[in-house]
Amino acid sequence: SAVISQKPSRDICQRGTSLTIQCQVDSQVTMMFWYRQQPGQSLTLIATANQGSEATYESGFVIDKFPISRPNLTFSTLTVSNMSPEDSSIYLCSVLQGLLYFGPGTRLTVL
Amino acid sequence: QKEVEQNSGPLSVPEGAIASLNCTYSDRGSQSFFWYRQYSGKSPELIMFIYSNGDKEDGRFTAQLNKASQYVSLLIRDSQPSDSATYLCAVANAGNMLTFGGGTRLMVKP
Repeated sequence: SAVISQKPSRDICQRGTSLTIQCQVDSQVTMMFWYRQQPGQSLTLIATANQGSEATYESGFVIDKFPISRPNLTFSTLTVSNMSPEDSSIYLCSVLQGLLYFGPGTRLTVL
Repeated sequence: QKEVEQNSGPLSVPEGAIASLNCTYSDRGSQSFFWYRQYSGKSPELIMFIYSNGDKEDGRFTAQLNKASQYVSLLIRDSQPSDSATYLCAVANAGNMLTFGGGTRLMVKP
């Protein structure tokens, strides 16, 4: 399976600021996704990161709040914009290589 | 709304016992079924997948699928304290989009 890395692994941010999370995969993958896992909750799909085009967002998530880039088949970024404490979550990059695999996650705390 | 339901637990079993984790799903068009293990503070790790009715065994793990009853389960034989984690059931539709259940927390007591 692909090796997935994310940066940063964790961060503490102030309300109103933005954070960009990077996801790097060691091989080319067609399908990349961003998930959110709020404290004590399961995984919720934010969007599918499409290479060379705009991401496809799930209901309840919008591009202005969670802009996503996918410049090539091995890299994607997710920005959490204008953060509030409700955005405190683990953000997970995942890739589909026959099966769905997750990166190590980014633990975000918003004060 | 497509749903995947799991008992949140915690499910407590003694070391060496069989742990039985259950999951039901609402979408009859679901094609594939997955079990992920998530240790506290870590990301989910895929441990089993099953596509066809019946049982699938891999080491101490057995996944069971009953599409007629819309039910999938995970059995862990000879449970070890290291199996203590949250187990997430995930169901994929024909488009390979996964819906996750809320997870069951398993505690294996020495």
